[in-house]
Amino acid sequence: EVQLLESGGGLVQPGGSLRLSCAASGFTFSSYAMTWVRQAPGKGLEWVASISASVSNTYYADSVQGRFTISRDDSKNTLYLQMNSPRAGDTAEYYCAKGGRLEPFDCWGQGTLVTVSS
Amino acid sequence: DIQMTQSPSSLSASVGDRVTITCRASQSISSYLNWYQQKPGKAPKLLMYIASRLESGVPSRFSGGGSGTEFTLTISGLQPEDSATYYCQQCYSTPLTFGGGTKVEIK
Repeated sequence: EVQLLESGGGLVQPGGSLRLSCAASGFTFSSYAMTWVRQAPGKGLEWVASISASVSNTYYADSVQGRFTISRDDSKNTLYLQMNSPRAGDTAEYYCAKGGRLEPFDCWGQGTLVTVSS
Repeated sequence: DIQMTQSPSSLSASVGDRVTITCRASQSISSYLNWYQQKPGKAPKLLMYIASRLESGVPSRFSGGGSGTEFTLTISGLQPEDSATYYCQQCYSTPLTFGGGTKVEIK
């Protein structure tokens, strides 16, 4: 069974840092692009970043470019999102998803809540 | 950036009704259009991909169509468990963008 399990969410101060993790199982992790999607409370879905398989090309939403870094460790079947200098507007449920450009997001984690507040 | 516009933003229909949601892209995305269903407090779930392909395990009352800039998601024979918010998403080019969502309620 394909599973994605996020962790690392919580309360972070504006300007601080936080790293989210997504542990994958049930599929050949290294063969698939992976993505982070977020959802602010009561709002719609917003794509955050994607990373390709193999060569690990990365792609970011303008809203997080230069502050967030997506990465993957194929030896650990784990996807990461390093969040630096978060802002109040980054408060959201963060989901990892299997898939990326030219691919549907066919499996989602349960989400991890990030709250940016002083 | 490719903008995705969904309509309507909400609808209310009766069990057994046929419901259609429209999604328009600001430029051609070929058939790289996906549909997701999200219930309150849950992660989104893939329903349709490449515009008209039904994801495994999704009931056949769901169907999708379109190409280029106009797409539809149809539920033929609405069921109580279909109460949810539905999102379209283009995966043609980055930034990968979602529509604003359509909330479907059961009368």
